[in-house]
Amino acid sequence: EVQLVESGGGLVQPGGSRRLSCAASGFTFSDYYMDWVRQAPGKGLEWVGRIRNKANDETPEYAASVGGRFTISRDDLRDLLYLQMDNLITEDTAVYYCGRVQSGTCDTWGQGTLVTVSS
Amino acid sequence: DVQMTQSPSSLSASVGDRVTITCRASQGISDYLAWFQQKPGKAPKSLIYGASTLQSGVPSKFSGRGSGTDFALTISSLQPEDFATYYCQQYSVYPITFGGGTKVEIK
Repeated sequence: EVQLVESGGGLVQPGGSRRLSCAASGFTFSDYYMDWVRQAPGKGLEWVGRIRNKANDETPEYAASVGGRFTISRDDLRDLLYLQMDNLITEDTAVYYCGRVQSGTCDTWGQGTLVTVSS
Repeated sequence: DVQMTQSPSSLSASVGDRVTITCRASQGISDYLAWFQQKPGKAPKSLIYGASTLQSGVPSKFSGRGSGTDFALTISSLQPEDFATYYCQQYSVYPITFGGGTKVEIK
């Protein structure tokens, strides 16, 4: 069974950092591009970024709202996806989802992890 | 960025109704359009990609159509489990963008 499990959420002060993880199982993680998508409380879905697979140099893409502050990486040996979030602002408060990319878009999602940025 | 505009933002419908949600892109995106369903407190669920191809396991009561800038998601006979919020997403160009969502409520 394909499964994605996010972890690492919690309360962070403005200006702080947090690293989220997404553990993948049930498929060959290294073959796939992976996405991060977030949802602020009561709001819609917002794409955060994508990381390509090793065959495509693991190059990332980011939304303008997080570029320069967030970094997506992956560990194909451990089947883990990461989202390093630095210089957090209150507007980054959201549930963060990881998603497996198939045919250009996510076909499988994790359950999400909540990040709250507040003093 | 490609703006995705969904309409309506919400609708009320009865069990058994046929429901159509539309999504318009601010520029042509070919058929790089996906639809997602989300229930309160839950992760999104992928329904359709390529504008009209059902994800594995998605029932055939869901259908998608369109190309270029205008797209639609139709639910042929609304069931209680279909009451949710639906989002379109374009993945033709970066940044990937979502529509604002359509909340389907029980009448």
